[in-house]
Amino acid sequence: QQQVKQSPQSLIVQKGGISIINCAYENTAFDYFPWYQQFPGKGPALLIAIRPDVSEKKEGRFTISFNKSAKQFSLHIMDSQPGDSATYFCAPTTGFQKLVFGTGTRLLVSP
Amino acid sequence: GAVVSQHPSRVICKSGTSVKIECRSLDFQATTMFWYRQFPKQSLMLMATSNEGSKATYEQGVEKDKFLINHASLTLSTLTVTSAHPEDSSFYICSAILQGRLEKLFFGSGTQLSVL
Repeated sequence: QQQVKQSPQSLIVQKGGISIINCAYENTAFDYFPWYQQFPGKGPALLIAIRPDVSEKKEGRFTISFNKSAKQFSLHIMDSQPGDSATYFCAPTTGFQKLVFGTGTRLLVSP
Repeated sequence: GAVVSQHPSRVICKSGTSVKIECRSLDFQATTMFWYRQFPKQSLMLMATSNEGSKATYEQGVEKDKFLINHASLTLSTLTVTSAHPEDSSFYICSAILQGRLEKLFFGSGTQLSVL
C-alpha cells in the first residue's frame, strides 16, 4: 500500500490547547483527504474531510489545512478537551474508495 | 444516521477452529464493503474489498483461502477466518459505503479475535 506518514506519533496537549497533527502523502492522484477518529476498541469515525479544490475547511473546533504543493494536510483541534483523547488517522484516497490509512497519532488531552 | 453493525464484538476460539464475523449495514444498501485488520497500536490495513454478488478482491499478501469473504446481499458481508491460529489474533473492522460517496463511508465497531 502507498505510504502515508503522520506526525507526531503521539501528542499530549493540555485542556484548552491546540492539537496539530500532520499527514504527508506521496500519491498526487489522491483527491479526498479525510481525518478519522478512533477510540479504543471501536471502529474509526469520520471527523472531517477536504477536497483539493480548497485549502482549508473548518467544522466547529476542527480544521483541515491542505497544502497541495507540499503534499501535506493537517488537522487542528482548537480548545482541545479530554474527550478528544483518541487515535487520529489520516486516510487519503482517490475516487476508487480504497482508503490508505496513515500511521496514526495518539492524542492525550490532559485535564 | 447510517449505521454499520458488526458482530460479534469479541470472540475467543481454539487454534484450528473457524470463526465467522458479520457486518451489516442497518439502514442503507451497501454495494461495497471493506474488511480491515488492525494490530495493537498500529494502523488499519485493508484486507479485501467485497462487492455484492461477486468475488472479493484481496489485497496483496492476504490469503484468500484463509480469510473467506461473502457478500451475499446488499446489507450483509461476512468474514470467516478458517483454521485460526494465534497469529490471526487481531482487531477486525468492516466498513460499508453508501452510494459510492466517500463522505458516507461508515465503519463497524470492530471484532476482537483472540485465538488460543
